[in-house]
Amino acid sequence: DSGVTQTPKHLITATGQRVTLRCSPRSGDLSVYWYQQSLDQGLQFLIQYYNGEERAKGNILERFSAQQFPDLHSELNLSSLELGDSALYFCASSVGTGGYNEQFFGPGTRLTVL
Amino acid sequence: DQQVKQNSPSLSVQEGRISILNCDYTNSMFDYFLWYKKYPAEGPTFLISISSIKDKNEDGRFTVFLNKSAKHLSLHIVPSQPGDSAVYFCAASAWGGSNYKLTFGKGTLLTVNP
Repeated sequence: DSGVTQTPKHLITATGQRVTLRCSPRSGDLSVYWYQQSLDQGLQFLIQYYNGEERAKGNILERFSAQQFPDLHSELNLSSLELGDSALYFCASSVGTGGYNEQFFGPGTRLTVL
Repeated sequence: DQQVKQNSPSLSVQEGRISILNCDYTNSMFDYFLWYKKYPAEGPTFLISISSIKDKNEDGRFTVFLNKSAKHLSLHIVPSQPGDSAVYFCAASAWGGSNYKLTFGKGTLLTVNP
């Protein structure tokens, strides 16, 4: 158990819909990262927040947005969903924001868009 | 453009033998490299890392070798055990202008046969 929790574990929805994925970081971790893992793809970095502020952006679509709340939990919002958005979405957390900080991953949310 | 490449999607070895997982990278700005292990239905977990100033790092049965001139790193597992069967991701860290970012490879599925 990494200490990072993600809800829900599974999500099935239809094209055009909007969903929200939730992540609670490990106690004491200030950074939260979101990743997408599609079929046969590695982990694609989406976005990072540090202590409530956006720190880095990766390959995140404009239809996707995220935020980190004062209690440090984070939400990833996916809207106007398309079939290609079906993937595993992982949240990770770390103490700081430096490159040498180990990231601890949650179990992921499997999103299926029908 | 894939900056971190794991060219072998899968690898099968016998229990007790050595497992060698390879990873190549193209970005010379990467200065820290990590290996993560992932079991089905779980998030990736950190395994071992190496700084670009070193060429070897060892932790029990796991050793990571870095060849900067060839932009190549490898993970050696000796001896391999059935419990090592998992997907192994290579990752590299570089300063992205405002923050460090982790770039992952697509992963190699290791199967250790009893």
